[in-house]
Amino acid sequence: NAGVTQTPKFQVLKTGQSMTLQCAQDMNHNSMYWYRQDPGMGLRLIYYSASEGTTDKGEVPNGYNVSRLNKREFSLRLESAAPSQTSVYFCASRSTGTHYGYTFGSGTRLTVV
Amino acid sequence: SQQGEEDPQALSIQEGENATMNCSYKTSINNLQWYRQNSGRGLVHLILIRSNEREKHSGRLRVTLDTSKKSSSLLITASRAADTASYFCAPGEIQGAQKLVFGQGTRLTINP
Repeated sequence: NAGVTQTPKFQVLKTGQSMTLQCAQDMNHNSMYWYRQDPGMGLRLIYYSASEGTTDKGEVPNGYNVSRLNKREFSLRLESAAPSQTSVYFCASRSTGTHYGYTFGSGTRLTVV
Repeated sequence: SQQGEEDPQALSIQEGENATMNCSYKTSINNLQWYRQNSGRGLVHLILIRSNEREKHSGRLRVTLDTSKKSSSLLITASRAADTASYFCAPGEIQGAQKLVFGQGTRLTINP
């Protein structure tokens, strides 16, 4: 099925461990985004990639890095996980042009203990 | 980027009734988008209304946009239990990468 695929769906990390969240889309979208959502809150933008080869910081980039590996894939890396990074992470993509909505993945639920 | 502010924060109605939720924003927009999030799932794009449009329909959804008041409303008619979800509005930027900023949403509960 066409869409945005995120892996893994669940992950538990110990403080200080590192991991990479994977995101891939098969809709030939140019723009991709990473958000986090804490309980009872809206989504906060971590990083985004307007097009292949570019990445930019969002509202809450500290503690994260990203890689736009190719047009399909946009990964999010936590170098040294902290309990404050416990959250649900969503990847989204969007086609070029100003009047297109986002397509979201189903999320990665990350717990840092 | 600017955030949309949804109102009310929570809404509980009986199945079959209509549900209306509102969104306000601060600066000029290119479009305004509404999303639904079922518990534990990713957001689903419902409808996009352009800044030069005043009203748009999609099935049981009706969205209005008043750029002079910087506000939008989402009406769900003949609500169903499956409409139980959180609803978010997101103003679309005039320029740039179309980064969307989401507020806390309206939590809609449809009671049988």
